[in-house]
Amino acid sequence: RKEVEQDPGPFNVPEGATVAFNCTYSNSASQSFFWYRQDCRKEPKLLMSVYSSGNEDGRFTAQLNRASQYISLLIRDSKLSDSATYLCAVTFNTNAGKSTFGDGTTLTVKP
Amino acid sequence: EPEVTQTPSHQVTQMGQEVILRCVPISNHLYFYWYRQILGQKVEFLVSFYNNEISEKSEIFDDQFSVERPDGSNFTLKIRSTKLEDSAMYFCASSEGGAQHFGDGTRLSIL
Repeated sequence: RKEVEQDPGPFNVPEGATVAFNCTYSNSASQSFFWYRQDCRKEPKLLMSVYSSGNEDGRFTAQLNRASQYISLLIRDSKLSDSATYLCAVTFNTNAGKSTFGDGTTLTVKP
Repeated sequence: EPEVTQTPSHQVTQMGQEVILRCVPISNHLYFYWYRQILGQKVEFLVSFYNNEISEKSEIFDDQFSVERPDGSNFTLKIRSTKLEDSAMYFCASSEGGAQHFGDGTRLSIL
């Protein structure tokens, strides 16, 4: 089983749609969770950290379910500029720990 | 906004040659990382560094690889004798102990 597994995608949605991505992790001792966005041939850019209580940043909402070992990202009112690959990252140590990334889920928002 | 910077942006090297990839982490960060991403594949952890020593390394980070923080600001990754399969994007990241922030990467092409 992969350490971090994401929806395979790709997701093709019209502008204005709501889209959700899921990510599961295998290590129940995982401590920290993040969503990154990666544009083609660019670096991962931190989108948001994921907190136990869930958190929202504008059109983006992240949720964590420790019991089921998954995190999710919801994007409301999709924009063309949201087209990118979304990476889920998990660390096992909140300080110096490495991040383990999922394969990524590609989103294309169409006019 | 402070950022992680990497040089060069693109390095072309003959197989068997040594390369040094350079990174300037965000100035108040204490934890440093190298990741790589082979074209079309996921982001893979190589090594983490804290308090002037390696905290953790992956199986990829074999004896051909080394890291150094030579002067308190730079953080370098050296590959002693490059192989064709070392061709990838190499990302440096840094953190204060939470989310990691990535540089824009060095594309390494081995001929």
